[in-house]
Amino acid sequence: RKEVEQDPGPFNVPEGATVAFNCTYSNSASQSFFWYRQDCRKEPKLLMSVYSSGNEDGRFTAQLNRASQYISLLIRDSKLSDSATYLCVAYSSASKIIFGSGTRLSIRP
Amino acid sequence: NAGVTQTPKFRILKIGQSMTLQCTQDMNHNYMYWYRQDPGMGLKLIYYSVGAGITDKGEVPNGYNVSRSTTEDFPLRLELAAPSQTSVYFCASSYKGQKSNLSGNTIYFGEGSWLTVV
Repeated sequence: RKEVEQDPGPFNVPEGATVAFNCTYSNSASQSFFWYRQDCRKEPKLLMSVYSSGNEDGRFTAQLNRASQYISLLIRDSKLSDSATYLCVAYSSASKIIFGSGTRLSIRP
Repeated sequence: NAGVTQTPKFRILKIGQSMTLQCTQDMNHNYMYWYRQDPGMGLKLIYYSVGAGITDKGEVPNGYNVSRSTTEDFPLRLELAAPSQTSVYFCASSYKGQKSNLSGNTIYFGEGSWLTVV
């Protein structure tokens, strides 16, 4: 079983739709969680950190469920520019930063 | 700040050749990392360093070597290149203080180095 698992997608949704991804992690010692965005042939960039109480950044909402060991990302009012691969990251220590394989999102006009 | 800068961006190597991927960061980050990303796959940690003079193996260290003589630089050396090392390589850095917090764990990536071994 992978330490961090994501549905690879692709998710193909119309502009303006709401879309949600889940990510599960197996290491209960994971301390911090993040969502990164990666555009085609580009480096990953931090989208947002994930706080235990849940957090929102504009159209993006991230939540953490430690009991069930998953994190989620919700994107509201999706834009064409949201098309990318979204990477879930679980951080335990410098040597245990586990990236998921990513969920591909494609927004159609 | 330039952030994390890695060179070269593209390189083609012949089997058995050696090369060094350069990485430098100007954010005074103590932690630095090298990842590889194969097509359609996640990032795998090759080596990491928690400070100058300290390096440690990650998940896939075989065939690579690193050094960390300064805080800023973290070069990755490929000895005897093999086709299995064809990949995109990302250097990254982060800051972790004594009292780490969530933002202190944010990892910043370089733009990547596309390496093909033929």
